[in-house]
Amino acid sequence: EDQVTQSPEALRLQEGESSSLNCSYTVSGLRGLFWYRQDPGKGPEFLFTLYSAGEEKEKERLKATLTKKESFLHITAPKPEDSATYLCAAGRYGGATNKLIFGTGTLLAVQP
Amino acid sequence: KAGVTQTPRYLIKTRGQQVTLSCSPISGHRSVSWYQQTPGQGLQFLFEYFSETQRNKGNFPGRFSGRQFSNSRSEMNVSTLELGDSALYLCASSPPLATYEQYFGPGTRLTVT
Repeated sequence: EDQVTQSPEALRLQEGESSSLNCSYTVSGLRGLFWYRQDPGKGPEFLFTLYSAGEEKEKERLKATLTKKESFLHITAPKPEDSATYLCAAGRYGGATNKLIFGTGTLLAVQP
Repeated sequence: KAGVTQTPRYLIKTRGQQVTLSCSPISGHRSVSWYQQTPGQGLQFLFEYFSETQRNKGNFPGRFSGRQFSNSRSEMNVSTLELGDSALYLCASSPPLATYEQYFGPGTRLTVT
C-alpha cells in the first residue's frame, strides 16, 4: 500500500538552530516528491518538487533533498516566520492523473 | 495572477443536510483536485477533474461528488451530512504541463452539528 510518513510530528527550535524534517515514502512508481508549507487556517503553499534521487532544491533557508526511500527538508538558521506545518506528498505514476499521497505533516515552531 | 479561490470560506450545516462548495482555479489551469483535511487523517484525496471529466477518485463514499464546468470552475457536493464530515475542504489546481504541481486555495471550513 502506498504510504508517506513524516517525522517528527512536532519540532520546536530556537531561532538560528538548524534541523531537518524527514519524509519517508513507500510508493510504487513515484512520479515526484513534493513539499508544502501550511499556515494555520490556510491552504498548503507549494515549496518544492523533487523528481529523482540525488536531486536537491533550495529556497531561502530551506533545502530539500531526495533519496530512493526518503526526502529531507533542511532548515538552516530558522526564523520565527518559518513556523508552520510542513507537508510532504508523493505523486504516484498512473498516467495523467494527479493523485498525491500526503504525509500528516511536521508542525515546526521556531522560538525567538 | 489570482490564486485559487474557494467559496464559501466557512459553513455550518446540520447533520442530514447537503452542501455545495465551489472552487475557481488559477487562470489557465484545467485540472482541479479536491482534498479533505482533518486533524486525525491529514490530507486525503477526494477526486480530480480535468476538462469536465473525473480522472481519478479517492476512497470516499458516494455521498461525495463533484463536477467541473467548461470554464474549469469546479464544485463538490456532500449529501446527507454526517458529523464526521466536519473538515477543511481544499481545492487545488494544476498547470497544463506540470500536472503534479498543485496550487491550493484557502479551503472551506465545514462544520456539521
